[in-house]
Amino acid sequence: AQTVTQSQPEMSVQEAETVTLSCTYDTSENNYYLFWYKQPPSRQMILVIRQEAYKQQNATENRFSVNFQKAAKSFSLKISDSQLGDTAMYFCAFMKHATSGTYKYIFGTGTRLKVLA
Amino acid sequence: GAVVSQHPSWVICKSGTSVKIECRSLDFQATTMFWYRQFPKQSLMLMATSNEGSKATYEQGVEKDKFLINHASLTLSTLTVTSAHPEDSSFYICSATLRSSGRTYTQYFGPGTRLTVL
Repeated sequence: AQTVTQSQPEMSVQEAETVTLSCTYDTSENNYYLFWYKQPPSRQMILVIRQEAYKQQNATENRFSVNFQKAAKSFSLKISDSQLGDTAMYFCAFMKHATSGTYKYIFGTGTRLKVLA
Repeated sequence: GAVVSQHPSWVICKSGTSVKIECRSLDFQATTMFWYRQFPKQSLMLMATSNEGSKATYEQGVEKDKFLINHASLTLSTLTVTSAHPEDSSFYICSATLRSSGRTYTQYFGPGTRLTVL
C-alpha cells in the first residue's frame, strides 16, 4: 500500500525568505502523480503544484517549485520569496493512475507553515 | 476555471435529524467526486468515491447507510448524514476531478461544510 510522509509538523519562515517542505512516499508503482495543496485558515484546499512521475523535469509555478527525486521517492516543495499569504497547512498527495478509474489521493499528515513579518 | 461549490457552508442540527450537503462543479463536468472528512488539525480522510449514475464506493469503516451519497449528474453530488449524532460533527469536504490535457486526474476541492450536531 502507498504511504505519504510529511516529517515536519510545523515550520516558520521570515517574509521574503525561502523555505522547503519535505514529503516522502512509498510505492511500487512506476506511473503516478504527486501534488501539493495548501489549506489556509479559510480551510479551502488549493492546488499549488503537480508533478507527473514520468516527467524528469521538476514542476514550477511562479514562486513554487518542487524537487522530485523518483529513485529516492522524495517530493519536496520550495517556496521562494515567502509572503504572509503563504501561511497555511500544506498537504502532499500521491495518486496512482489506474485504468480501472480508481484514482484516489493519499494525503500526508500536513505541514503547518507560518510566514513571519 | 475548475470551481467547486458546497452548500451549506455551515449547518447546525439536532441529534437524530438528517442533513444534506450539496457539492457542485460549476464550470466543468466532473468525472468523479470524492467526499472527505477532516477533524481539527488533521489531514483529510477519504469517506467515499462517487461516480455519476453509479453507486458510491465507500472506504473501509465508513457506514454507507449513515452517509448516503447520490451522484445525480456530472455536476452534482450530495452527501446525506442520516440520524446525525454529536460524533458526526466535523468538517466535510468534497472534491471533483477534471481530466486535464495531461491525463492527470487533478482534484479540485469545495470550500467545505462545517457540521455541528447538538
